[in-house]
Amino acid sequence: QKEVEQDPGPLSVPEGAIVSLNCTYSNSAFQYFMWYRQYSRKGPELLMYTYSSGNKEDGRFTAQVDKSSKYISLFIRDSQPSDSATYLCAMGKAAGNKLTFGGGTRVLVKP
Amino acid sequence: EAGVVQSPRYKIIEKKQPVAFWCNPISGHNTLYWYLQNLGQGPELLIRYENEEAVDDSQLPKDRFSAERLKGVDSTLKIQPAELGDSAVYLCASSSAPRGNEQFFGPGTRLTVL
Repeated sequence: QKEVEQDPGPLSVPEGAIVSLNCTYSNSAFQYFMWYRQYSRKGPELLMYTYSSGNKEDGRFTAQVDKSSKYISLFIRDSQPSDSATYLCAMGKAAGNKLTFGGGTRVLVKP
Repeated sequence: EAGVVQSPRYKIIEKKQPVAFWCNPISGHNTLYWYLQNLGQGPELLIRYENEEAVDDSQLPKDRFSAERLKGVDSTLKIQPAELGDSAVYLCASSSAPRGNEQFFGPGTRLTVL
């Protein structure tokens, strides 16, 4: 079993809808939680960074971390076709250490 | 501010040939990472440098892979000899203490081994 599980999708939504993404993990040592967006043939781009449990909002993006359930979420409001990409969750145990990634969820936002 | 630079962007070689990838991190970032990303999967760490020192190379297949980071800036990852299973995207990332959790990635080098 992988340390970080993420549904591969694809997740298809109409433009303007809320996109809901999530990851589960098994290692309670993870303290830092991140979401990356990756367009085809590009490197991952950092979207959201959260330390420990709680919520964080940045524009149309909201990240949630529930350490008691070992579950993290990313919500994208008012989705746009330009949000179509693969979204990767990532987790770290300590500052500067390696990140453990989920396999990514492919999202398609249809006009 | 310039991001992480990698070259080449694409490389096609025959099996058993050597290949090298180059990375220039974001200016001032002391930590540099090399990740491997297979198709449809998330990146997996190969090696992490703190300045010139390789502090985590436990996932690097040392029989054929090698890396260096001379002077604590640029880094080179080498494969010799390449195998068919090495076809993947090789990503370089960098970070800077105290925000060392935020890793910034380059565009990657897509390797195809024939």
